[in-house]
Amino acid sequence: AQSVTQLDSQVPVFEEAPVELRCNYSSSVSVYLFWYVQYPNQGLQLLLKYLSGSTLVESINGFEAEFNKSQTSFHLRKPSVHISDTAEYFCAVSPKIQGAQKLVFGQGTRLTINP
Amino acid sequence: DTGVSQDPRHKITKRGQNVTFRCDPISEHNRLYWYRQTLGQGPEFLTYFQNEAQLEKSRLLSDRFSAERPKGSFSTLEIQRTEQGDSAMYLCASSLSLRQETQYFGPGTRLLVL
Repeated sequence: AQSVTQLDSQVPVFEEAPVELRCNYSSSVSVYLFWYVQYPNQGLQLLLKYLSGSTLVESINGFEAEFNKSQTSFHLRKPSVHISDTAEYFCAVSPKIQGAQKLVFGQGTRLTINP
Repeated sequence: DTGVSQDPRHKITKRGQNVTFRCDPISEHNRLYWYRQTLGQGPEFLTYFQNEAQLEKSRLLSDRFSAERPKGSFSTLEIQRTEQGDSAMYLCASSLSLRQETQYFGPGTRLLVL
């Protein structure tokens, strides 16, 4: 079985400041890793994912996440946030096995950007 | 590409009533997932279809819950004899059956059981 822990339920930051949203996971098998974002009154959207290869993955809007196998972490970072980044962010894993590629989500981190 | 759609977007019902939700996946996607999200929590997996076959169900899916995907297109999730604990956002997602293809989520159906 898999579990995901997002260490911060809320993260307030000032505009143009850097931010890190932390995610740790537990799994008895290898996993794929994901960050999804939910903007106010919208559905979940994939932000970025790690399947294999380079452990650093980037999104088109400036976020990046690094897979650290030894620490079982997949923290999300952005060097300079904007008001438009205000959203809830969910870390998720999916086991690398045949069959259902169901996602196991963390509890979410609400990112609030203050001007 | 019209995305994943869900209907209704909101549903208020009284305890003990039956409710049915519909999900229309992205047209070429053969995998369809249902998740449930309660307030302050991340989504939790409920069940999964590949084409019309329901291949996995979570222990969260009690026998009051049933899901179908006739002809491998749209899917319905029915809850019988609703309880207040069923109040949640019900999310549908679809994907292609490729190696870890991205799951695309619908806007969800918010259920409130009074």
